[in-house]
Amino acid sequence: DIQMTQSPSSLSASVGDRVTISCRASQSISSSLNWYQQKPGKAPKLLIYAASSLQSGVPSRFSGSGSGTDFTLTISSLQPEDFATYYCHQSYSIPPWTFGQGTKLEIK
Amino acid sequence: EVHLVESGGGLIQPGGSLRLSCAVSGFTVSSNYMSWVRQAPGKGLEWVSVIYSGGSTYYAASVKGRFTISRDNSKNTLYLQMNSLRAEDTAVYYCARERVPSDWGQGTLVTVSS
Repeated sequence: DIQMTQSPSSLSASVGDRVTISCRASQSISSSLNWYQQKPGKAPKLLIYAASSLQSGVPSRFSGSGSGTDFTLTISSLQPEDFATYYCHQSYSIPPWTFGQGTKLEIK
Repeated sequence: EVHLVESGGGLIQPGGSLRLSCAVSGFTVSSNYMSWVRQAPGKGLEWVSVIYSGGSTYYAASVKGRFTISRDNSKNTLYLQMNSLRAEDTAVYYCARERVPSDWGQGTLVTVSS
């Protein structure tokens, strides 16, 4: 199975900061990497699919990059509503598909 | 408008069985990849299973042989039959639409405890 490793596990930042979250796959997954945001008690929300495509309705301050094994989610200017947990998710080839362990973004 | 509504969760003893349902509206279950994803209390997301539009099914290693995903096209409903339940299966179970899910249910809590 493909393992997904996110870093950091947690992150403290301030409103207006630029934030980067990394995700590494245990083998190449081409561009089959997606990013989700989850707030407590809520279902995950899709932010980025296919490594760099912005889901409809998601603010343009969110962006994704990478291919192969290394991927990045960037939030260009943090807003109060962005404090949440973020997960990467690989949907490469045949399942099982897997999630990273999550990155909790907290207010500094 | 797309809606997914899970049901069937509850408290079950170890070794027991439970069937979760996911009733959908706004699209056809049989025309989409449909997945189950779970989240243990205070933990991260774990992909559980998927059924392809063509009927192929796949499972995470942690549930393979114990869980079965299926669908009823006439009821437009997705199911997850869970047998031989263990304490580590305790989680909120979400159903989700498509390979890269953008539509999710609200989740149903399964608690496995004696």
